[in-house]
This record gives sequence, C-alpha cells and structure tokens, in this order.
Amino acid sequence: TQLLEQSPQFLSIQEGENLTVYCNSSSVFSSLQWYRQEPGEGPVLLVTVVTGGEVKKLKRLTFQFGDARKDSSLHITAAQTGDTGLYLCAGAGYSGAGSYQLTFGKGTKLSVIP
Amino acid sequence: KAGVTQTPRYLIKTRGQQVTLSCSPISGHRSVSWYQQTPGQGLQFLFEYFSETQRNKGNFPGRFSGRQFSNSRSEMNVSTLELGDSALYLCASSLGTSTLGEQYFGPGTRLTVT
Repeated sequence: TQLLEQSPQFLSIQEGENLTVYCNSSSVFSSLQWYRQEPGEGPVLLVTVVTGGEVKKLKRLTFQFGDARKDSSLHITAAQTGDTGLYLCAGAGYSGAGSYQLTFGKGTKLSVIP
Repeated sequence: KAGVTQTPRYLIKTRGQQVTLSCSPISGHRSVSWYQQTPGQGLQFLFEYFSETQRNKGNFPGRFSGRQFSNSRSEMNVSTLELGDSALYLCASSLGTSTLGEQYFGPGTRLTVT
C-alpha cells in the first residue's frame, strides 16, 4: 500500500514568515500533485510535478519533486493570510494491489496570522 | 466554464439504507473520480471512470459502486450504509487524456449516517 506522509500536520505562523511543507513516501510516483482546500470546499489544484528533481514556481510558492520521485516539498515565501488552508499532496502510481491510484497525504493545516 | 457540480450537498441516512450521489463534470472532461474524505483517514480514492468504464479502483469494499453515463455524468452508490461511511464524498473531473491527471474537484456531498 502506498503511503504519503505529510509534515507538519499543523502550522501556525505570522504573516510575512516563510514555511516549508514536506511530503514523503517510500513509493515511487509517476507524478505528484499539490492541492489547497478551504473549509466547505473541494481541493483546488496548485501544481503537478512529473520529473524527478523538477522545481516549479507559482508566485510565492515553490514546489520541488525529489530526484527519486518519492518525495516533494512546498515552500511559501512571505506568507499571507490568504494562504491559510489545508495543503494536500497526492501521488499517482500503482498500489500494491496493482491498480493505478491517486494517494493523498493527510494534509498540512496552515494558519497565517495577521 | 461551469465547475464540477455535486448533488445533493448534504444527506442524512440511517444505517442499513443505501444512497446515490451524483456528479456533473466540467464540460469536455471525460474522466470522473470519486473520493472519500474523513478526519481520520483523509482523502481516499474510490474509483475513476472514463468513457463509461471503470478505469481504476481504490481499496474499498464492494458496497461502494459507481457508474458513468454517455454524457460523462457519474453516480456513486453506497449500499447497506454503516456509521463509518459518514464522510465528505468528493467528485473530481479531468480531461482523461492521462490516467488520474489533474483533478478538478466539486464541493462535495456531506453524508451523515445515523
């Protein structure tokens, strides 16, 4: 069974600070997606990374896919209150049972305090 | 372009009953996936449908089933409901050109089983 461990589980920071969220697994993924979810809504896709070592930037957000395609990180520079939400990573790949699945981490709940 | 819509948004059922949830994908999207989200387990993949065929399946019991219609709309059915089935059920659509590609989520159906 594929597992994605996200850390930290909770993060509370002041506006303007930097932060990094980690997503780790012992499994290799074909691609890794990052989502942000706000209360009462479905997750919204932020980025997809496909190639080992790939780095993608989305304004103040930087996403990195590990060289071995087993882990990823999300770095936010100068956090704003609008960044508050649940950040989820999801890896696409074959499970132990042989079916192709999208496996989600349990998420990092980020609170940015003004 | 209209987003993914799910009906109903909220549902209360009794243990032992069955329930059907509906999902309308973004126009032009041919793949529909279903997920269960609970506080304890997070987001878990149920199954993916593409061109009216189940293309991938997660690790859920046979009580969970789905189907997709020729217009790409999808329904998910849960039979013999258990208390543990209480969750937010999310539907996501994607173009379908790559398996479990970038997912566009609906707002979810909140199911409570009493």
